[in-house]
Amino acid sequence: DTAVSQTPKYLVTQMGNDKSIKCEQNLGHDTMYWYKQDSKKFLKIMFSYNNKELIINETVPNRFSPKSPDKAHLNLHINSLELGDSAVYFCASVIRDGGFNEQFFGPGTRLTVL
Amino acid sequence: GENVEQHPSTLSVQEGDSAVIKCTYSDSASNYFPWYKQELGKRPQLIIDIRSNVGEKKDQRIAVTLNKTAKHFSLHITETQPEDSAVYFCAAERMGNFNKFYFGSGTKLNVKP
Repeated sequence: DTAVSQTPKYLVTQMGNDKSIKCEQNLGHDTMYWYKQDSKKFLKIMFSYNNKELIINETVPNRFSPKSPDKAHLNLHINSLELGDSAVYFCASVIRDGGFNEQFFGPGTRLTVL
Repeated sequence: GENVEQHPSTLSVQEGDSAVIKCTYSDSASNYFPWYKQELGKRPQLIIDIRSNVGEKKDQRIAVTLNKTAKHFSLHITETQPEDSAVYFCAAERMGNFNKFYFGSGTKLNVKP
Protein backbone atom coordinates (compact mmCIF):
# COMPACT_ATOMS: atom_id res chain seq x y z
CA ASP A 1 0.00 0.00 0.00
CA THR A 2 3.01 2.33 0.11
CA ALA A 3 3.87 2.06 -3.59
CA VAL A 4 3.03 5.76 -4.05
CA SER A 5 3.15 7.83 -0.91
CA GLN A 6 2.32 11.46 -0.26
CA THR A 7 2.99 13.75 2.66
CA PRO A 8 1.26 15.33 4.35
CA LYS A 9 -2.16 13.66 4.22
CA TYR A 10 -3.88 16.78 5.49
CA LEU A 11 -2.74 20.37 5.19
CA VAL A 12 -4.62 23.33 6.67
CA THR A 13 -3.14 26.76 6.10
CA GLN A 14 -3.94 30.43 5.76
CA MET A 15 -4.36 32.34 2.51
CA GLY A 16 -1.11 33.80 1.26
CA ASN A 17 1.12 31.11 2.75
CA ASP A 18 3.53 28.92 0.80
CA LYS A 19 3.33 25.15 1.21
CA SER A 20 4.78 21.98 -0.28
CA ILE A 21 3.42 18.49 -0.84
CA LYS A 22 5.79 15.59 -1.37
CA CYS A 23 5.33 12.45 -3.43
CA GLU A 24 7.48 9.37 -3.68
CA GLN A 25 7.03 6.16 -5.63
CA ASN A 26 8.99 2.96 -5.13
CA LEU A 27 7.68 1.20 -8.24
CA GLY A 28 10.56 2.14 -10.49
CA HIS A 29 8.20 4.08 -12.75
CA ASP A 30 9.42 6.70 -15.20
CA THR A 31 6.51 9.12 -15.23
CA MET A 32 4.77 10.92 -12.40
CA TYR A 33 1.75 13.20 -12.32
CA TRP A 34 -0.01 15.67 -10.12
CA TYR A 35 -3.81 15.84 -10.23
CA LYS A 36 -6.19 18.23 -8.50
CA GLN A 37 -9.57 16.90 -7.37
CA ASP A 38 -12.03 19.61 -6.48
CA SER A 39 -15.12 19.43 -4.30
CA LYS A 40 -17.16 18.12 -7.22
CA LYS A 41 -14.72 15.21 -7.54
CA PHE A 42 -13.42 16.34 -10.92
CA LEU A 43 -9.88 14.98 -11.46
CA LYS A 44 -7.78 17.41 -13.44
CA ILE A 45 -4.25 16.78 -14.56
CA MET A 46 -1.82 19.50 -13.52
CA PHE A 47 1.68 18.33 -14.37
CA SER A 48 3.56 15.33 -15.64
CA TYR A 49 7.25 14.55 -15.36
CA ASN A 50 9.15 11.87 -17.20
CA ASN A 51 12.57 11.03 -15.78
CA LYS A 52 12.77 14.38 -13.97
CA GLU A 53 11.74 16.32 -17.07
CA LEU A 54 8.48 18.31 -17.30
CA ILE A 55 6.35 16.98 -20.16
CA ILE A 56 2.85 18.23 -19.36
CA ASN A 57 1.84 21.55 -17.85
CA GLU A 58 -1.89 22.02 -18.11
CA THR A 59 -2.15 25.80 -17.81
CA VAL A 60 -1.67 25.74 -14.09
CA PRO A 61 -1.00 29.12 -12.46
CA ASN A 62 2.69 29.76 -11.99
CA ARG A 63 2.12 29.86 -8.23
CA PHE A 64 2.34 26.07 -8.57
CA SER A 65 5.85 24.79 -9.15
CA PRO A 66 6.58 21.08 -9.40
CA LYS A 67 10.06 19.80 -8.70
CA SER A 68 11.47 16.38 -9.48
CA PRO A 69 14.85 15.78 -7.81
CA ASP A 70 14.90 12.23 -9.22
CA LYS A 71 12.47 10.00 -11.03
CA ALA A 72 11.12 8.55 -7.79
CA HIS A 73 10.06 11.92 -6.40
CA LEU A 74 7.76 14.66 -7.60
CA ASN A 75 7.05 17.46 -5.17
CA LEU A 76 4.56 20.28 -5.53
CA HIS A 77 5.23 23.72 -4.13
CA ILE A 78 2.44 26.28 -3.99
CA ASN A 79 3.10 29.96 -3.40
CA SER A 80 0.62 32.56 -2.17
CA LEU A 81 -2.15 30.07 -1.48
CA GLU A 82 -5.69 31.10 -2.42
CA LEU A 83 -9.07 29.84 -1.24
CA GLY A 84 -9.63 28.19 -4.62
CA ASP A 85 -6.59 26.01 -4.10
CA SER A 86 -8.52 24.00 -1.53
CA ALA A 87 -8.82 20.50 -2.98
CA VAL A 88 -7.42 17.01 -2.74
CA TYR A 89 -4.14 16.67 -4.62
CA PHE A 90 -3.20 13.26 -5.95
CA CYS A 91 0.18 12.17 -7.13
CA ALA A 92 0.35 9.22 -9.55
CA SER A 93 3.00 7.25 -11.37
CA VAL A 94 3.08 5.00 -14.40
CA ILE A 95 5.69 2.93 -16.15
CA ARG A 96 6.42 3.88 -19.75
CA ASP A 97 7.21 0.78 -21.74
CA GLY A 98 5.67 1.73 -25.04
CA GLY A 99 2.27 0.44 -24.03
CA PHE A 100 -0.64 1.54 -21.95
CA ASN A 101 -0.32 0.97 -18.27
CA GLU A 102 -2.16 1.53 -15.05
CA GLN A 103 -1.62 4.78 -13.20
CA PHE A 104 -0.94 4.17 -9.54
CA PHE A 105 -2.28 6.92 -7.34
CA GLY A 106 -1.03 8.10 -4.00
CA PRO A 107 -3.45 8.42 -1.06
CA GLY A 108 -4.04 12.10 -1.71
CA THR A 109 -3.34 15.28 0.24
CA ARG A 110 -6.36 17.27 1.39
CA LEU A 111 -5.42 20.94 1.28
CA THR A 112 -7.67 23.42 3.05
CA VAL A 113 -6.95 27.11 2.64
CA LEU A 114 -8.64 29.35 5.21
CA GLY B 1 -6.71 18.85 -26.65
CA GLU B 2 -8.88 15.95 -25.54
CA ASN B 3 -12.29 16.52 -23.98
CA VAL B 4 -13.88 13.61 -22.14
CA GLU B 5 -17.53 13.89 -21.15
CA GLN B 6 -19.13 11.47 -18.73
CA HIS B 7 -22.78 10.79 -17.91
CA PRO B 8 -24.63 10.55 -15.66
CA SER B 9 -23.03 12.50 -12.83
CA THR B 10 -24.97 10.47 -10.28
CA LEU B 11 -26.61 7.08 -10.60
CA SER B 12 -28.69 5.27 -8.04
CA VAL B 13 -29.65 1.62 -8.54
CA GLN B 14 -31.12 -1.16 -6.47
CA GLU B 15 -28.83 -3.98 -5.45
CA GLY B 16 -28.83 -6.64 -8.14
CA ASP B 17 -29.70 -4.24 -10.96
CA SER B 18 -27.29 -3.22 -13.72
CA ALA B 19 -25.55 0.13 -13.98
CA VAL B 20 -24.27 1.78 -17.15
CA ILE B 21 -21.97 4.79 -17.30
CA LYS B 22 -21.21 6.46 -20.63
CA CYS B 23 -18.31 8.56 -21.85
CA THR B 24 -17.53 10.38 -25.06
CA TYR B 25 -14.18 11.70 -26.22
CA SER B 26 -13.21 14.25 -28.80
CA ASP B 27 -9.71 13.28 -29.96
CA SER B 28 -9.93 10.52 -32.55
CA ALA B 29 -6.24 9.76 -31.88
CA SER B 30 -7.05 8.57 -28.34
CA ASN B 31 -6.51 4.84 -28.22
CA TYR B 32 -6.65 3.72 -24.62
CA PHE B 33 -9.66 3.98 -22.33
CA PRO B 34 -9.31 2.97 -18.68
CA TRP B 35 -11.93 3.12 -15.95
CA TYR B 36 -11.04 3.99 -12.37
CA LYS B 37 -13.05 3.45 -9.21
CA GLN B 38 -12.68 5.80 -6.26
CA GLU B 39 -14.25 4.76 -2.97
CA LEU B 40 -15.04 7.45 -0.44
CA GLY B 41 -11.88 8.99 0.98
CA LYS B 42 -9.62 6.71 -1.03
CA ARG B 43 -7.45 6.91 -4.13
CA PRO B 44 -8.66 6.11 -7.66
CA GLN B 45 -7.84 2.55 -8.72
CA LEU B 46 -7.98 0.93 -12.15
CA ILE B 47 -10.81 -1.58 -12.54
CA ILE B 48 -10.84 -2.27 -16.28
CA ASP B 49 -9.43 -0.84 -19.49
CA ILE B 50 -9.87 -1.23 -23.22
CA ARG B 51 -7.62 -0.50 -26.17
CA SER B 52 -8.85 0.94 -29.43
CA ASN B 53 -8.37 -2.28 -31.37
CA VAL B 54 -10.98 -4.03 -29.19
CA GLY B 55 -14.73 -3.44 -29.12
CA GLU B 56 -15.58 -5.07 -25.82
CA LYS B 57 -13.86 -6.44 -22.74
CA LYS B 58 -15.35 -8.23 -19.77
CA ASP B 59 -14.06 -9.05 -16.31
CA GLN B 60 -16.58 -10.87 -14.12
CA ARG B 61 -19.40 -8.42 -13.39
CA ILE B 62 -17.89 -5.46 -15.20
CA ALA B 63 -17.57 -4.90 -18.92
CA VAL B 64 -16.51 -2.04 -21.12
CA THR B 65 -17.59 -1.39 -24.71
CA LEU B 66 -15.98 0.95 -27.20
CA ASN B 67 -17.42 2.50 -30.35
CA LYS B 68 -14.52 4.20 -32.13
CA THR B 69 -16.66 5.59 -34.92
CA ALA B 70 -18.97 7.37 -32.53
CA LYS B 71 -16.12 8.09 -30.10
CA HIS B 72 -17.88 6.74 -27.08
CA PHE B 73 -17.29 4.01 -24.54
CA SER B 74 -19.32 2.65 -21.67
CA LEU B 75 -18.90 0.80 -18.38
CA HIS B 76 -21.43 -1.87 -17.54
CA ILE B 77 -21.78 -3.32 -14.06
CA THR B 78 -24.15 -6.24 -13.67
CA GLU B 79 -25.64 -7.65 -10.46
CA THR B 80 -24.59 -4.56 -8.54
CA GLN B 81 -23.66 -4.87 -4.88
CA PRO B 82 -23.44 -2.21 -2.15
CA GLU B 83 -19.64 -2.38 -2.32
CA ASP B 84 -19.86 -1.15 -5.92
CA SER B 85 -20.92 2.23 -4.50
CA ALA B 86 -18.16 4.68 -5.42
CA VAL B 87 -17.23 7.38 -7.91
CA TYR B 88 -16.26 5.97 -11.31
CA PHE B 89 -14.03 7.85 -13.73
CA CYS B 90 -13.52 7.16 -17.38
CA ALA B 91 -10.37 8.38 -19.09
CA ALA B 92 -8.88 8.66 -22.53
CA GLU B 93 -5.22 8.47 -23.40
CA ARG B 94 -3.34 8.98 -26.61
CA MET B 95 -0.11 7.16 -27.05
CA GLY B 96 2.67 9.36 -28.32
CA ASN B 97 6.11 10.45 -27.30
CA PHE B 98 4.57 11.39 -23.99
CA ASN B 99 1.08 10.11 -23.37
CA LYS B 100 -1.61 12.59 -22.41
CA PHE B 101 -4.26 11.34 -20.05
CA TYR B 102 -7.66 12.98 -19.46
CA PHE B 103 -10.39 12.00 -17.01
CA GLY B 104 -14.13 12.37 -17.32
CA SER B 105 -15.97 14.29 -14.63
CA GLY B 106 -16.93 11.18 -12.63
CA THR B 107 -20.15 9.30 -11.85
CA LYS B 108 -21.23 8.77 -8.28
CA LEU B 109 -22.85 5.34 -8.16
CA ASN B 110 -25.05 4.49 -5.20
CA VAL B 111 -26.20 0.89 -4.87
CA LYS B 112 -29.11 0.63 -2.47
CA PRO B 113 -29.37 -2.61 -0.52
